[in-house]
Amino acid sequence: NAGVTQTPKFRVLKTGQSMTLLCAQDMNHEYMYWYRQDPGMGLRLIHYSVGEGTTAKGEVPDGYNVSRLKKQNFLLGLESAAPSQTSVYFCASRPGGTGELFFGEGSRLTVL
Amino acid sequence: AQTVTQSQPEMSVQEAETVTLSCTYDTSENNYYLFWYKQPPSRQMILVIRQEAYKQQNATENRFSVNFQKAAKSFSLKISDSQLGDTAMYFCAFMAGTYKYIFGTGTRLKVLA
Repeated sequence: NAGVTQTPKFRVLKTGQSMTLLCAQDMNHEYMYWYRQDPGMGLRLIHYSVGEGTTAKGEVPDGYNVSRLKKQNFLLGLESAAPSQTSVYFCASRPGGTGELFFGEGSRLTVL
Repeated sequence: AQTVTQSQPEMSVQEAETVTLSCTYDTSENNYYLFWYKQPPSRQMILVIRQEAYKQQNATENRFSVNFQKAAKSFSLKISDSQLGDTAMYFCAFMAGTYKYIFGTGTRLKVLA
């Protein structure tokens, strides 16, 4: 059972470079989320999606873009990476109602 | 805007003892859901327990229980008979009709042998 899969798991970027993190879920979940985790700051919501073709801003959306062209995929893009975006990124999904979040294993991104 | 506050960055407890982790939240919503998640050193997030705001009865899951005080907007987690495997970061989380799922800053719990 794959669940929620994030790729890549690790990445090092130089300031100004761009990249895309891919999140894929095989549970037919409606809702998908991208978080970043930083020491002392917990999990902060970047963007989320309530269904295919929809996206919405979370708490810290600046510098990130997202797309949900297919129900099972939620992409997080960094157009011009900055050192402040060094973090561990988590993708999560859940079914409708009050379902729990199912998390990926995280992606560690370092921007030099 | 909803906020979730965990005021204890770190805690420790002796094995087999009981520990309580605190969480407060702020919202103007009447219907919402509260959660505790555990993140062990493996980094994998795991749901520990869930509470619906409309339910007065506190949720329990084996050794884990909550003390939900709606008027005070408080949602604490009690771990009984602590085990070494309970060592982890614990996050309190909130979800309401906006579908935003908001987390607190976490409490790092260490269970001592």
